[in-house]
Amino acid sequence: AQSVSQHNHHVILSEAASLELGCNYSYGGTVNLFWYVQYPGQHLQLLLKYFSGDPLVKGIKGFEAEFIKSKFSFNLRKPSVQWSDTAEYFCAVSPSGGSYIPTFGRGTSLIVHP
Amino acid sequence: KAGVTQTPRYLIKTRGQQVTLSCSPISGHRSVSWYQQTPGQGLQFLFEYFSETQRNKGNFPGRFSGRQFSNSRSEMNVSTLELGDSALYLCASSLGADRSIYGYTFGSGTRLTVV
Repeated sequence: AQSVSQHNHHVILSEAASLELGCNYSYGGTVNLFWYVQYPGQHLQLLLKYFSGDPLVKGIKGFEAEFIKSKFSFNLRKPSVQWSDTAEYFCAVSPSGGSYIPTFGRGTSLIVHP
Repeated sequence: KAGVTQTPRYLIKTRGQQVTLSCSPISGHRSVSWYQQTPGQGLQFLFEYFSETQRNKGNFPGRFSGRQFSNSRSEMNVSTLELGDSALYLCASSLGADRSIYGYTFGSGTRLTVV
């Protein structure tokens, strides 16, 4: 079974700072990768996903993530955060194929100070 | 189009009672999954239904059950509630059988408090 590790549980930044949230997974086969975001009081929503092609994936609101297969990583980045990026971020990994269940990391709480 | 709708939004129940939660997926989505979200454990997979059949089941006791109807709406039931069942229960739907490509669309969840 696969597992997902998000190393940063809590991150506090000032506006305009750069962001990188770590996500590492363990699984020996082909995977699809996701980042979800949960804004305060809102439902989880898909931020971006990777399942093939260019390992640098761009998502909504200026976020991007890079899949580095050799490092089993899928880190989320944003060059300049805004106060509105305050949220909880979840990385998820799913072996390729419809019958596999995605595994979620425990989440990273990001607080951006104005 | 309407998102994933979960009802009710909040529930308070007493230990030993049972509860039924409802989820209406996005129109056209046939895969419905349920997750339990708690601060300490994150998102834990409960079960998944596809075309009225349970396709996967997580590591939860038999007190947790679910079903899916022909219109793809899904319900989950928890019997003999325990204090530890207090959590946010999330429903997620996906387009098509291969949710590993499409990802999930989540509902807002049902906040269950067991007292």
